[in-house]
Amino acid sequence: GAVVSQHPSRVICKSGTSVKIECRSLDFQATTMFWYRQFPKQSLMLMATSNEGSKATYEQGVEKDKFLINHASLTLSTLTVTSAHPEDSSFYICSARTDLGYEQYFGPGTRLTVT
Amino acid sequence: ELKVEQNPLFLSMQEGKNYTIYCNYSTTSDRLYWYRQDPGKSLESLFVLLSNGAVKQEGRLMASLDTKARLSTLHITAAVHDLSATYFCARNAGNMLTFGGGTRLMVKP
Repeated sequence: GAVVSQHPSRVICKSGTSVKIECRSLDFQATTMFWYRQFPKQSLMLMATSNEGSKATYEQGVEKDKFLINHASLTLSTLTVTSAHPEDSSFYICSARTDLGYEQYFGPGTRLTVT
Repeated sequence: ELKVEQNPLFLSMQEGKNYTIYCNYSTTSDRLYWYRQDPGKSLESLFVLLSNGAVKQEGRLMASLDTKARLSTLHITAAVHDLSATYFCARNAGNMLTFGGGTRLMVKP
């Protein structure tokens, strides 16, 4: 149980284009989902927290207009990187939790490369 | 603000040896997590420690928690090459997890 998927696993896009990453909880309802970003050989940094049906809460320094997060259902959250630039290249990991506990279940991650 | 610090950041060790990774955190909070990450992969949950004095073991890994010292340790016994990975501790403050910087472990034959 408690499986989280992400799609795509890898994506390469050109500068200026937008990319959407999906995060799905496959066997549970996720009231809260989290988006993390990880640069090579660094730790995970929380970008934003999203609750189903409401606006995401972004961490300080994360541009909400650049990283659009939608949590339209209890099993799906999406992160759209708008007008991507090479510095947005990173490993993006989502996680999900229910309202019953604190544990977060992590997705397999999405490797974004912007050329 | 909750801060989580790990040390060492990099650890190279021989197979068969023992070593400990340390995780210090700045404020009290609910629980402490240990994760493993292989290159190019996401996080694999190893342990969740809930209370002072908690100890959990799985194979060659043992994690403990001392809430008074605000310290958790991940002890590796008789390391094998398969344990080579990056290990993260994380502490939660309410909804959110704060991660340590990670310890990159390399076990050499």
